[in-house]
Amino acid sequence: SAVISQKPSRDICQRGTSLTIQCQVDSQVTMMFWYRQQPGQSLTLIATANQGSEATYESGFVIDKFPISRPNLTFSTLTVSNMSPEDSSIYLCSVERGVSYNEQFFGPGTRLTVL
Amino acid sequence: KQEVTQIPAALSVPEGENLVLNCSFTDSAIYNLQWFRQDPGKGLTSLLLIQSSQREQTSGRLNASLDKSSGRSTLYIAASQPGDSATYLCAVKSSGGSNYKLTFGKGTLLTVNP
Repeated sequence: SAVISQKPSRDICQRGTSLTIQCQVDSQVTMMFWYRQQPGQSLTLIATANQGSEATYESGFVIDKFPISRPNLTFSTLTVSNMSPEDSSIYLCSVERGVSYNEQFFGPGTRLTVL
Repeated sequence: KQEVTQIPAALSVPEGENLVLNCSFTDSAIYNLQWFRQDPGKGLTSLLLIQSSQREQTSGRLNASLDKSSGRSTLYIAASQPGDSATYLCAVKSSGGSNYKLTFGKGTLLTVNP
């Protein structure tokens, strides 16, 4: 398995501000993934972050809104910029582990509420 | 585009019952399928991973099956307990261009009543 921690665990933010979410993994991984779970919905992949290169964003997500950093093989940050109430979600960090690196593990999530 | 559907959306059972959760997917060209548990407001806990070449996986009271050709998976929970109450998510890993992508269903909310 993988031990993944996220900070903060939750936050309440004002419209128009930005929040940076941190994700720390207990050992080195090639790819880290950021997901969003809107209220009552399932998980949607935001982007994939490889160390040393630009993150790859999924359709509907852009770097200006969700800038990602990946400074080393155990850490990543996701920033939610210029927030609106529609950004209220749980944001989850994820990594792949196991034989062929194909089992997915998730962090505890960051619950964001935007007023 | 891969789509994953989970039925039922919610299920309420008395303690001790055996139950089955269903997951279906539209594209059978999958790499693997994973079942997760999510407690309210929390992250996901991996329960079982089934590779595309496998038919089933077991862990304790949980058994997951995979029929790739028909695009279906089931999660069987034996002798359910109140602590099993959670949302169960099915996710399929399939090719998404240059990388494999995980596509999630919306989940089944399970309530086990004492």
